[in-house]
Amino acid sequence: EAQVTQNPRYLITVTGKKLTVTCSQNMNHEYMSWYRQDPGLGLRQIYYSMNVEVTDKGDVPEGYKVSRKEKRNFPLILESPSPNQTSLYFCASSSRQGLVVSNEQFFGPGTRLTVL
Amino acid sequence: AQSVSQHNHHVILSEAASLELGCNYSYGGTVNLFWYVQYPGQHLQLLLKYFSGDPLVKGIKGFEAEFIKSKFSFNLRKPSVQWSDTAEYFCALQTGANNLFFGTGTRLTVIP
Repeated sequence: EAQVTQNPRYLITVTGKKLTVTCSQNMNHEYMSWYRQDPGLGLRQIYYSMNVEVTDKGDVPEGYKVSRKEKRNFPLILESPSPNQTSLYFCASSSRQGLVVSNEQFFGPGTRLTVL
Repeated sequence: AQSVSQHNHHVILSEAASLELGCNYSYGGTVNLFWYVQYPGQHLQLLLKYFSGDPLVKGIKGFEAEFIKSKFSFNLRKPSVQWSDTAEYFCALQTGANNLFFGTGTRLTVIP
């Protein structure tokens, strides 16, 4: 089954304790992206990757890191989480045609993070 | 810079009522437009998309949307809603090689 998976689905942590949220897709998609969803703000892009070893900042990258060492995986790293990073996080992937990200983005199930 | 506006934050309808959710965007060039739906506790799913061609696009579950370039709009419609349509709906814009820009979402509550 074609899908995007994220782990963990729920996480409660404390300020300053490094954490990683994993994202994996089995559709051989070149493009992957991380979003955070907050009430009244919709989804905002954190980072995206057009291919292996190619990553770039989205609209709200502060406090986050990503890596893209393999095509299927795109982990989101919070080196020193803070309470304002409490949010619902979604990973997404999409195919590309040349330079254009085409077609729909497929979303993972989400990770609800609480930072105390 | 591009942006997407969804002016209806929360819409409450009775079953069988007609639905229209507004979406306006700001961008001067060629756009791709999407509507995604998020059912309670679930991830986003694509309802429909517009890339080019017929400006009236039909999606899943009886939804449709009309792209009106002169009004920079891409409103979502359904002639008769059901209780199961209760969800949050997001309009999104994609420009060139860039990424998706989402509106703030519209929460739809359908009363049986």
